[in-house]
Amino acid sequence: GAVVSQHPSRVICKSGTSVKIECRSLDFQATTMFWYRQFPKKSLMLMATSNEGSKATYEQGVEKDKFLINHASLTLSTLTVTSAHPEDSSFYICSARRGEGTDTQYFGPGTRLTVL
Amino acid sequence: GENVEQHPSTLSVQEGDSAVIKCTYSDSASNYFPWYKQELGKRPQLIIDIRSNVGEKKDQRIAVTLNKTAKHFSLHITETQPEDSAVYFCAASMGGGKLIFGQGTELSVKP
Repeated sequence: GAVVSQHPSRVICKSGTSVKIECRSLDFQATTMFWYRQFPKKSLMLMATSNEGSKATYEQGVEKDKFLINHASLTLSTLTVTSAHPEDSSFYICSARRGEGTDTQYFGPGTRLTVL
Repeated sequence: GENVEQHPSTLSVQEGDSAVIKCTYSDSASNYFPWYKQELGKRPQLIIDIRSNVGEKKDQRIAVTLNKTAKHFSLHITETQPEDSAVYFCAASMGGGKLIFGQGTELSVKP
């Protein structure tokens, strides 16, 4: 159990367009999901905490108007990169907790975004 | 906020040898410390975790130790195998689920 999926696995888009990435918990309900960004050969950087039914909490330095997060249901959170530019190219990974009382996070397979 | 430092950044060992990766954290309120293994282009996989009320935890060839006083924790892999080659990340959490990751250690196990 505890499977998290992401879609798409990779996307290439033109500069100025918007891209939506979906994160789903397949076999459990996740009231909280997290979005990370990872550069090549680098660590995971937490971007924001996504709470079902409420606004996301963004980490310092992350533009909330650029990275729109929606957590409309207990199994789905979406990250939309608006007006993407080449510097937004990265590996985006989501994770989910099984429940509020647990610490363990399960990660999605990641989405490779390339902005031309 | 919390800061996690991880060393070494790269580690090369011979098959069968042990590997040790160390992390330090800054916030004494942190109480959960997971370790993740990430292969190239793949998702991080939880390999072991420890909570602040425990000093050591072992799972077959993998063990984690925690020293709360010194605010550091370590991953120990014994009898390493080539399939252990990957990038390993430590992380710390104060609860609420938010994980702060270390910089990662690229482990190479040579046959």
